Amino acid sequence: GAGVSQSPSNKVTEKGKDVELRCDPISGHTALYWYRQSLGQGLEFLIYFQGNSAPDKSGLPSDRFSAERTGGSVSTLTIQRTQQEDSAVYLCASSFPGPNEQFFGPGTRLTVL
Amino acid sequence: GESVGLHLPTLSVQEGDNSIINCAYSNSASDYFIWYKQESGKGPQFIIDIRSNMDKRQGQRVTVLLNKTVKHLSLQIAATQPGDSAVYFCAENQGGKLIFGQGTELSVKP
Repeated sequence: GAGVSQSPSNKVTEKGKDVELRCDPISGHTALYWYRQSLGQGLEFLIYFQGNSAPDKSGLPSDRFSAERTGGSVSTLTIQRTQQEDSAVYLCASSFPGPNEQFFGPGTRLTVL
Repeated sequence: GESVGLHLPTLSVQEGDNSIINCAYSNSASDYFIWYKQESGKGPQFIIDIRSNMDKRQGQRVTVLLNKTVKHLSLQIAATQPGDSAVYFCAENQGGKLIFGQGTELSVKP
């Protein structure tokens, strides 16, 4: 596709379960980012991948959160033992290297019951 | 700590008027700023960006002004239209990641 895609678009889970969120970046973009947006709030940085460099994980809120990027393309954000406060929209973005426009996907809305 | 924030959480304008959305930043070393528009249920959409070696940049109906002396960024929308109604975010580049402000909701009255 032409843009960043994310799946699923919506995810409802029970407290304590693990979830995996997927991001397909724009082809050719070497940088990939995950952000979290709580209702009515701004975007909170989570993690940033750039090429083969070690990812910047400084925004991950706890060790229950992790992310991988396989083959420099698709990324998966995993949240273990979900809590109600994890409920939010999780947004993925990709870009070319350097400070450039980040292209965002539509997000995954996660609801933890 | 460093932060990017917005002066006004909501802005209501009449269709056809000009809109100005403001943003303050505190990291004087930041070299890149960007404005996004977000409509309900969608991801942020790029509007315009500016690098720190510039004071002004114009796009179609939009202008971004950067005042490094007072660490202030603004977005001007000319002839505001109903389709401009959305939440607008400024963001600052810090080490490759974007730090977003709180957001301003723009409401355009017909």
